[in-house]
Amino acid sequence: SQQGEEDPQALSIQEGENATMNCSYKTSINNLQWYRQNSGRGLVHLILIRSNEREKHSGRLRVTLDTSKKSSSLLITASRAADTASYFCATDRGNSGYSTLTFGKGTMLLVSP
Amino acid sequence: ETGVTQTPRHLVMGMTNKKSLKCEQHLGHNAMYWYKQSAKKPLELMFVYNFKEQTENNSVPSRFSPECPNSSHLFLHLHTLQPEDSALYLCASSQEVAGYTFGSGTRLTVV
Repeated sequence: SQQGEEDPQALSIQEGENATMNCSYKTSINNLQWYRQNSGRGLVHLILIRSNEREKHSGRLRVTLDTSKKSSSLLITASRAADTASYFCATDRGNSGYSTLTFGKGTMLLVSP
Repeated sequence: ETGVTQTPRHLVMGMTNKKSLKCEQHLGHNAMYWYKQSAKKPLELMFVYNFKEQTENNSVPSRFSPECPNSSHLFLHLHTLQPEDSALYLCASSQEVAGYTFGSGTRLTVV
């Protein structure tokens, strides 16, 4: 079953503005992760938030997790043109010794100078 | 470089060809993965290997055959593919339950 539906599908903002992307999922999780992908390249891991955490920060990134609503958000503050990329959330059901990530379709973020 | 290297970067093959994709990681991770990324679809998990043992096969057609000779190397052998198999194939590794490190992918075109 598909986990991790991002919203919006596409987002266009100006440099310096904040960008917020949302993710909803359907089943219980061990953790939720956010990734970034530049066009046609591999994905880059941004941040992992565990199911018992509510908020996490990393530089200009802020992630929240609401397990009661089965949703997460990624906030990028003071965006830059270099933040232009696709952003994916991925849910991990947590197996013994390894992750099994299920990805959403992603949000395409365009940051204009 | 991320520490996960995939070769080749691009591959064009006919439907009757046999080819292999290679993935190598030097991060000491225990788990390695193959994902398929097609246009307008979420990344699809294909195979999972943990300490070189296959732990998951996500109902992948037999024309895709994985091989993991050791914890650092992962192959995807391809034969008799269809045009709809054209996609970006991504390899990733992880240490236990943690974020993945992805390779840059192999862009496969089946003609």
